[in-house]
Amino acid sequence: GENVEQHPSTLSVQEGDSAVIKCTYSDSASNYFPWYKQELGKRPQLIIDIRSNVGEKKDQRIAVTLNKTAKHFSLHITETQPEDSAVYFCAAPYSGGYNKLIFGAGTRLAVHP
Amino acid sequence: KAGVTQTPRYLIKTRGQQVTLSCSPISGHRSVSWYQQTPGQGLQFLFEYFSETQRNKGNFPGRFSGRQFSNSRSEMNVSTLELGDSALYLCASSFREKTEAFFGQGTRLTVV
Repeated sequence: GENVEQHPSTLSVQEGDSAVIKCTYSDSASNYFPWYKQELGKRPQLIIDIRSNVGEKKDQRIAVTLNKTAKHFSLHITETQPEDSAVYFCAAPYSGGYNKLIFGAGTRLAVHP
Repeated sequence: KAGVTQTPRYLIKTRGQQVTLSCSPISGHRSVSWYQQTPGQGLQFLFEYFSETQRNKGNFPGRFSGRQFSNSRSEMNVSTLELGDSALYLCASSFREKTEAFFGQGTRLTVV
């Protein structure tokens, strides 16, 4: 089936702390996992993605890990800054192929100075 | 390179009317997908078009339809509008399968 679960729905951290958002997916054939950031009133934008032949990928303060056996992947943000405050969405592709993405419900991250 | 452009940005319609939304993808992108975003349901896939063919369709009633033109521009249409259709409608274009989807700013539809 098509399902992506995302936790937590809200996350509040102090500036400088780390934030972790977790997602699980149901389709074992999924092999591409993007993360999108959506600031208030703006469009979702890709911040990082990972493919199933890689277990971890880093880009400065952002990292994503993938556990294919457990069918879950996580977003890690270190040294959070107020500008990291946004809604973050994980996604997985529909097993039928092409560009249909199944999104998680989103995590609202608030970084307090 | 220009990004994904959606028009109009805002729309107010009354129940029972129909509406057409437009999306111009990034030049060279032939895949266009549409999503409905609401506070309660998140981002829900509507449909995807590639080279004028619908490749995927989400779980929405037949009142929701779309098409793609030979220049890759896409339109979606919602007929017999209901209050629950009020949402942000986002269009995304991609160059290839399972690569970055670039989103437009969206069209905010309000049905009164």
